[in-house]
Amino acid sequence: GEDVEQSLFLSVREGDSSVINCTYTDSSSTYLYWYKQEPGAGLQLLTYIFSNMDMKQDQRLTVLLNKKDKHLSLRIADTQTGDSAIYFCAEKVSSASKIIFGSGTRLSIRP
Amino acid sequence: DVKVTQSSRYLVKRTGEKVFLECVQDMDHENMFWYRQDPGLGLRLIYFSYDVKMKEKGDIPEGYSVSREKKERFSLILESASTNQTSMYLCASSFLSGDRAYEQYFGPGTRLTVT
Repeated sequence: GEDVEQSLFLSVREGDSSVINCTYTDSSSTYLYWYKQEPGAGLQLLTYIFSNMDMKQDQRLTVLLNKKDKHLSLRIADTQTGDSAIYFCAEKVSSASKIIFGSGTRLSIRP
Repeated sequence: DVKVTQSSRYLVKRTGEKVFLECVQDMDHENMFWYRQDPGLGLRLIYFSYDVKMKEKGDIPEGYSVSREKKERFSLILESASTNQTSMYLCASSFLSGDRAYEQYFGPGTRLTVT
């Protein structure tokens, strides 16, 4: 079945890079996403990668996709206090309209 | 700018009450979704709709129903609220086609407490 897994917590020092990891099970995924949820708000799409790509970079964000291992990661360079949030990994499988979300990783920044 | 609004940010209801959660989007999206968010469980899909009067069950539809009479509005109904339905409820919408990678736009959420 479809499943997306990620660790629940990550703590990094301000200015360091954050790497949030995710694994998924469905090999027919077409799009893989990273959503960000700030306190008291809904989710907002941060970035996405199409399944035929292995890397995407957007300013401080780098997404790496390893299709063989079904592993997705999000790297945030120069992590700032404003990056504190819950980050959700998600996949869209080709056969369905819905998107499957992981449990979310809470990123906390320490000074 | 896409806007998805939900009727309440916070709601407190008693066990057995009928509860309506309303969601409205202004982007003419075909798809609309209802999720519940619980700590450690992430987002779980309750129901979704890809057109007016159409609905499909998600992963956890038990105890819920939905209504979509107009394209912009998607309602979640708890027929008889129970304490295990205390949760954060998130509504989302998206286009049916893949022009924007099926990006889902989320409302701010309704935190429902059932006592």
